[in-house]
Order: sequence, then structure tokens, then C-alpha cells
Amino acid sequence: QQQVKQSPQSLIVQKGGIPIINCAYENTAFDYFPWYQQFPGKGPALLIAIRPDVSEKKEGRFTISFNKSAKQFSLHIMDSQPGDSATYFCAASGYSSASKIIFGSGTRLSIRP
Amino acid sequence: ETGVTQSPTHLIKTRGQQVTLRCSSQSGHNTVSWYQQALGQGPQFIFQYYREEENGRGNFPPRFSGLQFPNYSSELNVNALELDDSALYLCASSLLGSTSYEQYFGPGTRLTVT
Repeated sequence: QQQVKQSPQSLIVQKGGIPIINCAYENTAFDYFPWYQQFPGKGPALLIAIRPDVSEKKEGRFTISFNKSAKQFSLHIMDSQPGDSATYFCAASGYSSASKIIFGSGTRLSIRP
Repeated sequence: ETGVTQSPTHLIKTRGQQVTLRCSSQSGHNTVSWYQQALGQGPQFIFQYYREEENGRGNFPPRFSGLQFPNYSSELNVNALELDDSALYLCASSLLGSTSYEQYFGPGTRLTVT
């Protein structure tokens, strides 16, 4: 199974709130789990990524939580700002930078002022 | 450090025509991957090029083909365009052989087939 399932499809949060986006995967060969942020008309930009040997990674206001046994991972955005409004994609890939990236279906996030 | 660039930005073609899209990889990278992103969906892997040869392919028909040049830039060619080929085409560059797993995307080419 190559699929990465992402939810919710869309999310509206007040400024300062903590949006949470969830993803699940089936293929245990996946070894790298990046999150991408995409603004309209732009390409996806790498936001943060995690390997399955750690359960949590923080970079600034962004945190990935990873549950290897459940094959699930999530993105939390602390102190969300209107500028965080974008589409977020979780993804998974194999063991090298040559591996193809399997993307989730995306979450359209809107942060209200 | 130069980022990934793509050209053209936008393109309108007629069904049955052929199109060539171009990508320059990030400085220091040797691998280019191409993705198709339909409206409202996540990108789908088309294929990857390393050392001027195809190094993996997704579920796309043979009318999608590519090239990589000695300077690591790449082209995506699509023949016999169909309406469903309308999408944002993205390329991503990476460094095969490094310990980094990161792939960096360009801004994309928006292709519209009428």
C-alpha cells in the first residue's frame, strides 16, 4: 500500500489556536515523513520532517508527533497566525533522497484574525 | 545557493499537441523528480532522473517522457495532450548519495489543455 491518508480536508482556526492535521500510512518501508506547505500558485515548500526513530520533532512553532506502532503522524502549529493560512501536505518516502514522495490529499488551513 | 527554477510559468495547449517543460535543479543537486498536481489534490510522482537516466517511474503512460542534461537540468515532455493533463507540473531536486532525504520543489508550470 502506497497511500498516505490525511485529515481533515479543511480546517478553520482562530488566531493563536493550535490546528492539528493528522496522517496515516500503511507501508512500513516508509522511512521519512515530511510536511509541505503550499501557498496558492506556488510549489510545495518543505516545512519540517521526521524519521521514525523519534516520536516528536519541534521546529519553531511547528511540531510533528509520530506514532510508529499506529502508523500515524500529525502536525501541530502553535500560536497560529493568519500568515499560516495555506494548504498543508503530509508525505512519506523511502530510505533515500532518490525515493519518490507519496503525498496526502492536503488540508486547506485558514487562520482567522 | 540557487533554488529550483521552472519554465514557463503558464502554458495553454490544445488537445493532441505536445509540450515541453523545463527545470533547473538547485545548485549542488544531481537528481530531478517530476510531479503532477491536479487542482485540489496532492502531487503525484511521474518519474525521476539521475545521471541522465530515468531512475524510477510512477503510474503515468509512456507519452510522458523526460530528459536530464549533464548540468542536471531536466525536461518533461508530454505528447498527445489530453484534457486531464491540465495540472500544475512540479519538479523537485535532491542530492542522491547524501545523508539528506530532502527534496526541494520549484514553483511549477501551470499547464492548461483546451
